Amino acid sequence: DQQVKQNSPSLSVQEGRISILNCDYTNSMFDYFLWYKKYPAEGPTFLISISSIKDKNEDGRFTVFLNKSAKHLSLHIVPSQPGDSAVYFCAASVRNRDDKIIFGKGTRLHILP
Amino acid sequence: DGGITQSPKYLFRKEGQNVTLSCEQNLNHDAMYWYRQDPGQGLRLIYYSQIVNDFQKGDIAEGYSVSREKKESFPLTVTSAQKNPTAFYLCASSFPGTGAGQPQHFGDGTRLSIL
Repeated sequence: DQQVKQNSPSLSVQEGRISILNCDYTNSMFDYFLWYKKYPAEGPTFLISISSIKDKNEDGRFTVFLNKSAKHLSLHIVPSQPGDSAVYFCAASVRNRDDKIIFGKGTRLHILP
Repeated sequence: DGGITQSPKYLFRKEGQNVTLSCEQNLNHDAMYWYRQDPGQGLRLIYYSQIVNDFQKGDIAEGYSVSREKKESFPLTVTSAQKNPTAFYLCASSFPGTGAGQPQHFGDGTRLSIL
């Protein structure tokens, strides 16, 4: 059973607009969440994270929102740029238990000119 | 220039052969990981190691083996017992305590194909 779910396999957004990628999780023990970005034939690169004690974390054009009651998080990219076209993975872990991270299946983001 | 190096980038294996994928890091990270990615799938954990000379099975360890004799190195062997080895393999490393804010850093992967 998938503990981290990204229900949209792909998303297309016009350049300059806001991209919103969604992620749901089932394990209420998760208390640390991450987003990774991946280009084809490369390894994922860390983008942004959020602890469960926060509901928002911002880094430049990237903002992650966490809704613990809904077990939902989202990544907002604004404004979207051509270089943002990639696969985005949502991931979650349990603090201080082990170093394992559970990944979602990813959402492919296409930024349209 | 610190990072994680995976080699080779592409690897071909004949059925029945074992093959070893290399992963080296110079980030001074204690923890290292191996993941497998299949088309349309997320990253699935094969093995991980939090310290030298110790490692644990991940979610899909069957048909794989690892060793961790040095902090910098965490090679993965895909054995002939792995029934479907064709995949993209990713190695990662991190400081301990991912839950405390230490994200994993990834190599660029090795694509393994069966001839």
